[in-house]
Amino acid sequence: QKEVEQDPGPLSVPEGAIVSLNCTYSNSAFQYFMWYRQYSRKGPELLMYTYSSGNKEDGRFTAQVDKSSKYISLFIRDSQPSDSATYLCAMSEEKTSYDKVIFGPGTSLSVIP
Amino acid sequence: NAGVTQTPKFRVLKTGQSMTLLCAQDMNHEYMYWYRQDPGMGLRLIHYSVGEGTTAKGEVPDGYNVSRLKKQNFLLGLESAAPSQTSVYFCASRMLDRGIHEQYFGPGTRLTVT
Repeated sequence: QKEVEQDPGPLSVPEGAIVSLNCTYSNSAFQYFMWYRQYSRKGPELLMYTYSSGNKEDGRFTAQVDKSSKYISLFIRDSQPSDSATYLCAMSEEKTSYDKVIFGPGTSLSVIP
Repeated sequence: NAGVTQTPKFRVLKTGQSMTLLCAQDMNHEYMYWYRQDPGMGLRLIHYSVGEGTTAKGEVPDGYNVSRLKKQNFLLGLESAAPSQTSVYFCASRMLDRGIHEQYFGPGTRLTVT
């Protein structure tokens, strides 16, 4: 079993839809959870960062962590064509760990105008 | 302020050839990382450095060597390339006292080994 699993998609939605992206993980020691957005042929860029369980909102984006189920989600409201990208989840046991960040394989999202 | 840059952007190698990938950052970051990204696998850490003159192995170090002679540069070497090293390589950097989420990634190098 992979440490972090993510549905690769591709996921295709119409503009304005609510998008739900999800990751499951097996290591109960993970405490720090991140979502990265990666445009085609570019490097990943950080979207959201959360610690432990709960929700965090930033504009149209909401990150949700359910540690009891080992499940994290990223919701995108009012999706735009510019949201078309691959979304990577990542997680770590420690805030300042210099090496132990585990990335999911990414979900490819297309938002159709 | 260019952030993290990588050279070259693309490269095709024949099996057995060698090459060096260069990562440069102008943010005075202490930590630097090399990842590879393969379909269905996610980003995997190859080697990392916590400061000038130091390097350490990550998750998938075999077949690669690294050097950090200057704080702003982190070099990744392939001594004898193999088709299994066909991948997209990303460099990243981070400030010493910042959280793991504050990694800045370069644009990547696409390497094909035939």
